[in-house]
Amino acid sequence: QPVLTQSSSASASLGSSVKLTCTLSSGHSSYIIAWHQQQPGKAPRYLMKLEGSGSYNKGSGVPDRFSGSSSGADRYLTISNLQSEDEADYYCETWDSNTRVFGGGTKLTVL
Amino acid sequence: EVQLVESGGGLVQPGGSLRLSCAASGFTFSSYWMHWVRQAPGKGLVWVSRINSDGSSTSYADSVKGRFTISRDNAKNTLYLQMNSLRAEDTAVYYCARVRGPADIWGQGTMVTVSS
Repeated sequence: QPVLTQSSSASASLGSSVKLTCTLSSGHSSYIIAWHQQQPGKAPRYLMKLEGSGSYNKGSGVPDRFSGSSSGADRYLTISNLQSEDEADYYCETWDSNTRVFGGGTKLTVL
Repeated sequence: EVQLVESGGGLVQPGGSLRLSCAASGFTFSSYWMHWVRQAPGKGLVWVSRINSDGSSTSYADSVKGRFTISRDNAKNTLYLQMNSLRAEDTAVYYCARVRGPADIWGQGTMVTVSS
């Protein structure tokens, strides 16, 4: 089954942009992933589904500031015009017919 | 409003049992596969189990296989997780999630604490 690798932490300044990375393991570079946001003390929230082509579909109500892109086995989440409420943990997810796998999560700090 | 609401969590002794419920509303529950995902305190998300739309097929993480049973009642729009032989390492917030490809709707979670 695939393994998803994420950096443990990232930081960026209020109003700037940040690009988070999720890397698929060898042999799984074509997999579709999803990005989820988990604000402190809250449940995860689905942000988007992201294909290997770079095409993405966002969940209901997700601001335009959130976008996705892909390159090879890497899947990216870009957040523009960072707001204080964007400070959260971000998880990537992938799946097959029987299981699903989550990355370890990236803790984003907004400075 | 599309919503998932978990219940049934609590404090249980090692070796004990607990049944979690997840009540769905605002969508056609019987059309969706459903999953349970857990999160130990301060840790990341970990997939636990899944069930297909009519309940005829299930799958489990190795860590819970043989101890946990997922089921659903489409007439009641409710998902269940029966947890037996609970261990300290099962301590976590348990989330139910609606799935069609990605997990696109999450419940608010219910806390399970396994401790003597």
